[in-house]
Amino acid sequence: QLQLQESRPGLVKPSETLSLTCTVSGGSTSSSSFYWGWVRQPPGKGLEWIGSIHYGGSTYYNPSLVSRVTISVDTAKNQFSLQLSSVTAADTAMYYCARQRKGITVFGVVIDIDYWGQGTLVTVSS
Amino acid sequence: DIQMTQSPSSLSASVGDRVTITCRASQGVSDYLAWFQQKPGKAPKSLIYAASSLQSGVPSKFSGSGYGTDFTLTISSLQPEDFATYYCQQYKSFPLTFGGGTKVEIK
Repeated sequence: QLQLQESRPGLVKPSETLSLTCTVSGGSTSSSSFYWGWVRQPPGKGLEWIGSIHYGGSTYYNPSLVSRVTISVDTAKNQFSLQLSSVTAADTAMYYCARQRKGITVFGVVIDIDYWGQGTLVTVSS
Repeated sequence: DIQMTQSPSSLSASVGDRVTITCRASQGVSDYLAWFQQKPGKAPKSLIYAASSLQSGVPSKFSGSGYGTDFTLTISSLQPEDFATYYCQQYKSFPLTFGGGTKVEIK
């Protein structure tokens, strides 16, 4: 059974960089069939896709965050990571990692979420 | 970006009721539409992909339909464990975008 587990950074100070890691068990980050992504949810609000990565290096980012986001994958450790720089209170949220199935269509790459991690709360505060 | 609009934003229903939630895309997304269920304090759970295909292990009381811009999620007979917030999401194009959610509450 696939399991995704986010690391727990907890509290991050304003202007610093948020760093999260998702450890994958029961599956492989080096599978060509999947992307690995991050989604966040501010307290009491809806879901926002942050970005996704394929082990081959292909990445997609939300344009609203692209200047501050880096997603990377470490297939040797079976992990993928999120870095979000210059955080503010607006970045306070539950952060979820997710597996996304890859498809190739006439529209290009499509990726849909099939598994989610349990989430980790990140609070930005001094 | 493709905007996803769900209606209603909340609804009250009784156990055994048939419930339908609507999701509208600001432009056509073909059938690249997913539905998720989220219970309070929990991670979302994937229910449906490709507008109408059930994820593995999801009970058949959930069904999805639609194509292009208009989609529905139906719960055939609402049970206590189905009270949650439901989100739609398009994955035809980047950025991936979610609807604002529909909270299903007990009447």
